[in-house]
Amino acid sequence: DSGVTQTPKHLITATGQRVTLRCSPRSGDLSVYWYQQSLDQGLQFLIQYYNGEERAKGNILERFSAQQFPDLHSELNLSSLELGDSALYFCASSVDGIYNSPLHFGNGTRLTVT
Amino acid sequence: AQSVTQLGSHVSVSEGALVLLRCNYSSSVPPYLFWYVQYPNQGLQLLLKYTSAATLVKGINGFEAEFKKSETSFHLTKPSAHMSDAAEYFCAVSGIGGGSNYKLTFGKGTLLTVNP
Repeated sequence: DSGVTQTPKHLITATGQRVTLRCSPRSGDLSVYWYQQSLDQGLQFLIQYYNGEERAKGNILERFSAQQFPDLHSELNLSSLELGDSALYFCASSVDGIYNSPLHFGNGTRLTVT
Repeated sequence: AQSVTQLGSHVSVSEGALVLLRCNYSSSVPPYLFWYVQYPNQGLQLLLKYTSAATLVKGINGFEAEFKKSETSFHLTKPSAHMSDAAEYFCAVSGIGGGSNYKLTFGKGTLLTVNP
């Protein structure tokens, strides 16, 4: 058990809808990362937060947004969903958010857009 | 910019045989390199990491990896495969410098199958 909790585990929704994915980092970790995993793109970095502030941005679409709250949990909001957004979304956390710190991954949220 | 190439999307070995999963990296700065493993229906977990202290890095479950700067490689090995090693393995690179270097860049992954 990595200590990173993601909810829900599965989400099925229709095109055009909006969903929120939630992540609680491992106790003591200040940084949260979001990744998207799909068969064709592999693991793609979306965004990173450190202690409530955005630290780095990757291949995140404008339809997607995220935030990290004062209690350090994070939410990833996906709107105007398209079929191509179907994927596994992983949250990961690290102690200090620096480049050589290992990431601890949650078990992911599987999003299916129909 | 940094990148990782994993040679072979699928590797199949017999139980007890040597496991060799290949990873080559590209980085404009001294890299930090990682191997992660993903079991079915689970998130990724760290196997080992290279941070320049030693070129041969030992990880969990009997895995090790050797950093070879001249070959820009960080191949993962295990002398004797076990059925429980069947999983997908990801090589990842991170570099110093801030900005986008804060993120880990993952390879496409190598699915390891272990045959009885």
